[in-house]
Formats: sequence, C-alpha cells, structure tokens
Amino acid sequence: GAGVSQSPRYKVAKRGQDVALRCDPISGHVSLFWYQQALGQGPEFLTYFQNEAQLDKSGLPSDRFFAERPEGSVSTLKIQRTQQEDSAVYLCASSLEGRHGEQYFGPGTRLTVT
Amino acid sequence: GQQLNQSPQSMFIQEGEDVSMNCTSSSIFNTWLWYKQDPGEGPVLLIALYKAGELTSNGRLTAQFGITRKDSFLNISASIPSDVGIYFCAGQDAGNNRKLIWGLGTSLAVNP
Repeated sequence: GAGVSQSPRYKVAKRGQDVALRCDPISGHVSLFWYQQALGQGPEFLTYFQNEAQLDKSGLPSDRFFAERPEGSVSTLKIQRTQQEDSAVYLCASSLEGRHGEQYFGPGTRLTVT
Repeated sequence: GQQLNQSPQSMFIQEGEDVSMNCTSSSIFNTWLWYKQDPGEGPVLLIALYKAGELTSNGRLTAQFGITRKDSFLNISASIPSDVGIYFCAGQDAGNNRKLIWGLGTSLAVNP
C-alpha cells in the first residue's frame, strides 16, 4: 500500500529485553517522526529525522531509547532493557519537506512489557 | 510532556446533531491540525490550518485557527455514526517547526 507501515503491530517483551520497532514511511517523504502514545493520552513526540539525519531527539525519555534511519527511508526505534513504563503504542509518521505539520501516521506498534 | 488543553473530554450525541470541540495553548503555534483516531489505528489528518483567523472546511468538518494563535476549534455538522472516534488537536510550536504538540483528545460517541 501507499501508506506508512509499521511492524510488528504487537510486541510483548519481558522486562529487561531489548526490542526493535520498524517503520516504513511513505515513499518520497523526507521527514520521519516517532511518537509514544500512552493509553488515554495524545501522542508525545520522541524524535525526528530529515532524510538520514536525526535532527531532534529531545523527546526520547532515556538513553535506553535509540532511533536510526541509516538510508533515509526505513527507520528503527530500539528500546534497550525494557521497563514496564515503556508499555505504550509507538507511532511513526512521515511528511513531505515543507509540510511538516501534515504528518501521515502508521497504525502503530503496541508494546507491552511484562 | 507538554500537551494542549482540549475540551470537552467526551461527547455523546444523537445522529444528526452538530458537534463542537476546541483546543487552547499557552504558547503560540504556527500551525494547528485536527486528527481523528480510530481504535487500533494511527491518527488520520482531517484539517490543517496555517494562518491566524483561517477558517477551513473539509466536507462536514470546519476548523478555525484562532486569531491569537493560541486556540482552534473543530465543528462537525450533521453527525453520522462513522464520526465515532477520538479527535485530537495538534499544534506546531512556533519555535520548533517540526514536532507536534497534542491535546488529550475528545472522544465522540454517536447514537444512531
């Protein structure tokens, strides 16, 4: 399809495990965003890429969170040594250059840490 | 993290009624956006607003960018059952034109 895709859709991890979440943005979208959405809340910004450059990572909650987009397309959000408070839906969005507000979201990955 | 003040938190209305929700911020925004999120899905963009005072429509939806640049509202006219979902406002910070700041959402239920 032509939209943003994310995988896996659901992930259950035991506390302390590492996880990797994948995002495939819309083809041609240079900007890519990761958000964390807790139950009953709005999304909260984690990090932003323009092509392969990570221009803003101010929202990453700790150094256990790491994101990359090495070739300027697919991105991976990695969480090391997962904690229960990491349980949330992780949303990826992409946008065209110059239209950063018009972000197109994937379905999200629901992470549950037990 | 920072979030916008969005109200009401939830609404339960009859099919055919009009709906209004709004969002306020303590900060000035360059862009206001309204999204709808269905269960298990990501938010879907409804309307984007770029100028203070701008009034924009998308079918039965109308949104306005407040002249103070600190607020926005969304109206839905003649609601139908498929309008059910959670509506979020989001603003793009004037000092950072990349990330979006989000409201907590308005949950809309429509009784057929």
